[in-house]
Amino acid sequence: GAGVSQSPRYKVAKRGQDVALRCDPISGHVSLFWYQQALGQGPEFLTYFQNEAQLDKSGLPSDRFFAERPEGSVSTLKIQRTQQEDSAVYLCASSPGNEQYFGPGTRLTVT
Amino acid sequence: GQNIDQPTEMTATEGAIVQINCTYQTSGFNGLFWYQQHAGEAPTFLSYNVLDGLEEKGRFSSFLSRSKGYSYLLLKELQMKDSASYLCAVKGNYGQNFVFGPGTRLSVLP
Repeated sequence: GAGVSQSPRYKVAKRGQDVALRCDPISGHVSLFWYQQALGQGPEFLTYFQNEAQLDKSGLPSDRFFAERPEGSVSTLKIQRTQQEDSAVYLCASSPGNEQYFGPGTRLTVT
Repeated sequence: GQNIDQPTEMTATEGAIVQINCTYQTSGFNGLFWYQQHAGEAPTFLSYNVLDGLEEKGRFSSFLSRSKGYSYLLLKELQMKDSASYLCAVKGNYGQNFVFGPGTRLSVLP
């Protein structure tokens, strides 16, 4: 079946621009996670949804980062007034229980 | 705090066996996961341990000792395609918080 998909795959933004990253999880997966991965590092947790409820957003680095999942399926991670330090790969994962299934990621470059 | 340590890089020869270690100190423990990540690709699930002992799955095995805060991933009969980063991740007590280690970059040489 279809896996987790993310769009766009690559995004170049000028510093100060707002960006929106989309995640389509595997159908039926209740849990959805967002991670930020810097080059050569492991993914760092940003936020977690159970259906439409955002149960943990402790990893969001600043109030410029906002995530939503209004109907408990597709999720959007929005970054306002992007900064150069926001450049990273943003990974989305969905889970039916324990193991997580990751999407291909969106590589964000802020210039 | 939460901390997961793995060696940064390892090198092994095709056909050999390699063991990648992971030590962790986390707020609570609800399972340890290993993922494989090829360069530029998404992590893919390899194994899950929640009880002490060895879990075997084909050429890959994973071991856990909760009292020691220690796990390893054992890869047998190495193939060139096993060259990748291997990520250790721990699921803590709070919500669904997963903490990933920095990853171990494995290079398999002919």
